[in-house]
Amino acid sequence: NAGVMQNPRHLVRRRGQEARLRCSPMKGHSHVYWYRQLPEEGLKFMVYLQKENIIDESGMPKERFSAEFPKEGPSILRIQQVVRGDSAAYFCASSRSGGADEAFFGQGTRLTVV
Amino acid sequence: GDSVTQMEGPVTLSEEAFLTINCTYTATGYPSLFWYVQYPGEGLQLLLKATKADDKGSNKGFEATYRKETTSFHLEKGSVQVSDSAVYFCALIHTGNQFYFGTGTSLTVIP
Repeated sequence: NAGVMQNPRHLVRRRGQEARLRCSPMKGHSHVYWYRQLPEEGLKFMVYLQKENIIDESGMPKERFSAEFPKEGPSILRIQQVVRGDSAAYFCASSRSGGADEAFFGQGTRLTVV
Repeated sequence: GDSVTQMEGPVTLSEEAFLTINCTYTATGYPSLFWYVQYPGEGLQLLLKATKADDKGSNKGFEATYRKETTSFHLEKGSVQVSDSAVYFCALIHTGNQFYFGTGTSLTVIP
């Protein structure tokens, strides 16, 4: 049973470009969470999705960031017009039923904006 | 709001030394508490958890006890190994569906 798969592992973008981060949850998991880890900081919640629905996006910046989890395929975190401050590690986690279940994290995508 | 405060690092220990990483939390009610570990270049892995007061989570020689009276969930290990070198994150999940993480404590174990 493969774990949570994120790709790419490393992504370099120039300022103003778009970044698309992908997350395939574990088999049987229908809940996906995105977290951002800025340098020297802990992980901060961004968004929680179930299939085709955004449940909680209270941690997502209001502009330039969007997330989706379609019926088929991976969850996508999209960052438009990236800026240097977007440089961070972005982690995806999945769980079977959400709530207090343990979440399984992917290895993360390290985004560098140059 | 909910939050987690954990001991700042970095922490450097000699092999076989005793480890304590302090973690306290703020939350109303009874959150579930977790320790996650992040090895270099990897994602977070669940190390242990406790879901109610006085529960003790344990795994790979690590232990943490959910103390409601002191709102703490300190991580301990009696004898650390070089392979334990990693960043350790304390976290809670409460109402809603988001984890609240501490800032992480970097541990380096030297032979």
